[in-house]
Amino acid sequence: GENVEQHPSTLSVQEGDSAVIKCTYSDSASNYFPWYKQELGKRPQLIIDIRSNVGEKKDQRIAVTLNKTAKHFSLHITETQPEDSAVYFCAASIGGDKLTFGTGTRLAVRP
Amino acid sequence: EAGVAQSPRYKIIEKRQSVAFWCNPISGHATLYWYQQILGQGPKLLIQFQNNGVVDDSQLPKDRFSAERLKGVDSTLKIQPAKLEDSAVYLCASSRGASLRNEQFFGPGTRLTVL
Repeated sequence: GENVEQHPSTLSVQEGDSAVIKCTYSDSASNYFPWYKQELGKRPQLIIDIRSNVGEKKDQRIAVTLNKTAKHFSLHITETQPEDSAVYFCAASIGGDKLTFGTGTRLAVRP
Repeated sequence: EAGVAQSPRYKIIEKRQSVAFWCNPISGHATLYWYQQILGQGPKLLIQFQNNGVVDDSQLPKDRFSAERLKGVDSTLKIQPAKLEDSAVYLCASSRGASLRNEQFFGPGTRLTVL
């Protein structure tokens, strides 16, 4: 089955700096890669996703890149703000169905 | 639109007891998922329903876990008997259907503590 690895497990940045979280996946058939943000004690919420037919997608301060050959994808957050502090999960799936999640990255943005 | 509803939000039981969780998906969502999220880990899919049929239950520990979605709307997940390692947050999610266009929306979860 699919295996998703995520790094780093914790990340601390100064407000205004950029943050990058990286994930690798094992199943070359995976074609949908969402990123979820989970604040303490709350539900995971989709912040951005990318499909295998594109290499990059941006939404304001958030961007995701995908390298199908290397089977890795990354989340980039620019101009970080304290409200970006949360746990971020990457996931991979075939067809948007069963999601296999990474282990999460705890992002702390220092004011 | 109203979100995915789950109850109870918290449950504390002793090992070997039984427990049940309830999920009401977003109206019109055909696909329903139950995930187990152990502290410090990502959610792990337990079971997926398409309407009232099971699509994938390959990671459901069937000796103690069971789930149903009898009328293709609400769903219940049961654990009997519970073990210490079942302590986790149980998340329900729903989507319009299983395709690339259909985002999964998560409920608030039920936090289970097994003593």
